[in-house]
Amino acid sequence: GQQLNQSPQSMFIQEGEDVSMNCTSSSIFNTWLWYKQDPGEGPVLLIALYKAGELTSNGRLTAQFGITRKDSFLNISASIPSDVGIYFCAGASDYLGGSQGNLIFGKGTKLSVKP
Amino acid sequence: EAQVTQNPRYLITVTGKKLTVTCSQNMNHEYMSWYRQDPGLGLRQIYYSMNVEVTDKGDVPEGYKVSRKEKRNFPLILESPSPNQTSLYFCASSSRQNNYGYTFGSGTRLTVV
Repeated sequence: GQQLNQSPQSMFIQEGEDVSMNCTSSSIFNTWLWYKQDPGEGPVLLIALYKAGELTSNGRLTAQFGITRKDSFLNISASIPSDVGIYFCAGASDYLGGSQGNLIFGKGTKLSVKP
Repeated sequence: EAQVTQNPRYLITVTGKKLTVTCSQNMNHEYMSWYRQDPGLGLRQIYYSMNVEVTDKGDVPEGYKVSRKEKRNFPLILESPSPNQTSLYFCASSSRQNNYGYTFGSGTRLTVV
């Protein structure tokens, strides 16, 4: 099936540092979503992107929909301990089964913050 | 409160014993989906449904069945569970109105021995 390549797989950062992660695909997507998963919980939607080139912020989080529609990145500024968790990118395309309901996820970026 | 409810949260069962994991959403969402999460593999889609009586296979449908007889419910059925189906399962729902951003349940941790 379709795959998203998400990197890095994991990262350790100092509190206060900025964080960047990205997702790439060989296929075109018309929706990119970024989720965060806390231990023992389901993923929670952070940011949704629907237009190529779109740049959207949610507090300290900023995400962009790549111009080629094959990639997206997420930045976290001034990280804090509660940013710890697993971040997933997800993409949806009209070309996947003809339905936006078929959402494909990356394998996740595990973020650990040193207090 | 708008939510996706899965039951049970934890389940240990034996190989071959049929089981059903229930999923219900109260947001009138047309889309529902089941994912499994395994270490190093991320979230992989099992089945999804675009509306009542409309279901389709995801990336890893083998060994699973689903049904969508009502809009709010989307149960996941394992007719004959095997140890390789030990995993963390998530149900999710979304709609065109919320631009397809899936809302996830809290997960069901299944162990098949």
